[in-house]
Amino acid sequence: SQELEQSPQSLIVQEGKNLTINCTSSKTLYGLYWYKQKYGEGLIFLMMLQKGGEEKSHEKITAKLDEKKQQSSLHITASQPSHAGIYLCGADRVYSGAGSYQLTFGKGTKLSVIP
Amino acid sequence: DTAVSQTPKYLVTQMGNDKSIKCEQNLGHDTMYWYKQDSKKFLKIMFSYNNKELIINETVPNRFSPKSPDKAHLNLHINSLELGDSAVYFCASSQVPGQGATEKLFFGSGTQLSVL
Repeated sequence: SQELEQSPQSLIVQEGKNLTINCTSSKTLYGLYWYKQKYGEGLIFLMMLQKGGEEKSHEKITAKLDEKKQQSSLHITASQPSHAGIYLCGADRVYSGAGSYQLTFGKGTKLSVIP
Repeated sequence: DTAVSQTPKYLVTQMGNDKSIKCEQNLGHDTMYWYKQDSKKFLKIMFSYNNKELIINETVPNRFSPKSPDKAHLNLHINSLELGDSAVYFCASSQVPGQGATEKLFFGSGTQLSVL
């Protein structure tokens, strides 16, 4: 069963507006990752959060992980057409001690930014 | 200078055929993965290999067989293709967990497989 729920599924915003995408898990996460997918370009790493209450920013994108490490949000300030794409949250299901990560992903949020 | 490259980018084939997707990484990583993204955009791990050794094998039909000739390559061979195999397949690689990587997974750009 899917362990990560993302909302909303799709989002259309006017250029310049702020927006938030949420990612929720029913279980405590060892690590939470945000990726962006553009058609034909694979997945691009945005940020990784590991500690409860952690917050990271890169350019106009800010990601937060709640204290319980079960919910994360991705906030984009003053959106631009270049922000358009599919945003995926991924999480470590288990402690990665066996030589590989076991990331599971949410279904993604499709973001469209209207100029 | 592509870090993780997979070929082909697009693959259109008939049901029942056998096809392969190749993946190569030049990052010196020890672990490689195959992920499948279905029509609903749900991305799910299929396999992972660490130093040519199978680590993760999720519930995947045995028509799918990964092959790792060396730690820089992980190819995916699919026998007797079915309509439901149509999806985008992503290859990825990582350093061994705990060795200080800040970006855990590096993904290829995907292979769009269409089974007719």
